Amino acid sequence: DVKVTQSSRYLVKRTGEKVFLECVQDMDHENMFWYRQDPGLGLRLIYFSYDVKMKEKGDIPEGYSVSREKKERFSLILESASTNQTSMYLCASSLGQSNQPQHFGDGTRLSIL
Amino acid sequence: AQSVTQLGSHVSVSEGALVLLRCNYSSSVPPYLFWYVQYPNQGLQLLLKYTSAATLVKGINGFEAEFKKSETSFHLTKPSAHMSDAAEYFCAVRVDNYGQNFVFGPGTRLSVLP
Repeated sequence: DVKVTQSSRYLVKRTGEKVFLECVQDMDHENMFWYRQDPGLGLRLIYFSYDVKMKEKGDIPEGYSVSREKKERFSLILESASTNQTSMYLCASSLGQSNQPQHFGDGTRLSIL
Repeated sequence: AQSVTQLGSHVSVSEGALVLLRCNYSSSVPPYLFWYVQYPNQGLQLLLKYTSAATLVKGINGFEAEFKKSETSFHLTKPSAHMSDAAEYFCAVRVDNYGQNFVFGPGTRLSVLP
């Protein structure tokens, strides 16, 4: 079974802090993704990566950056957290073929005070 | 551009009744379609997928979906609802031929009444 692990289930930070969200997958997947989920808006793609040290912007990259130094790990960074970044953050991974599903972690509920 | 519409943000059914959750998509490439379920405070779990084989796809927990190209639909059904089916359901379509990005619908929250 694919396991996607997000480092924290709940996180509370203050405005202006630099925040790191970590995601690790154990199935040697090429692709990794970061989404945020807000009520009524569904899932919105922040960044994704198809390979180590590779990253691409998604639909809402502003205020975020990512790092993928190893294949199994994909980190999301909030450079200077703001209250409008309070959300549920979901990490996903998948094999390279386009007919493969994405596998999700349990999410990190982030609150910025 | 690819998009997904889910009719009804909230659907209520009685236990034992038919579940029907609607999904319509638009795609400029042959569609790969997916249904996911999300239980409270959890991530998304794959229910089933359509990847150009059989148009009627069976998934986990008794769910199935039928791909209808002429209607650009991929509705999710289950003959008899169970209390444990209460959750949020997301339909997704892949974005392009080469990548692995999806567009997700806004979700439908399913309530099951005793």
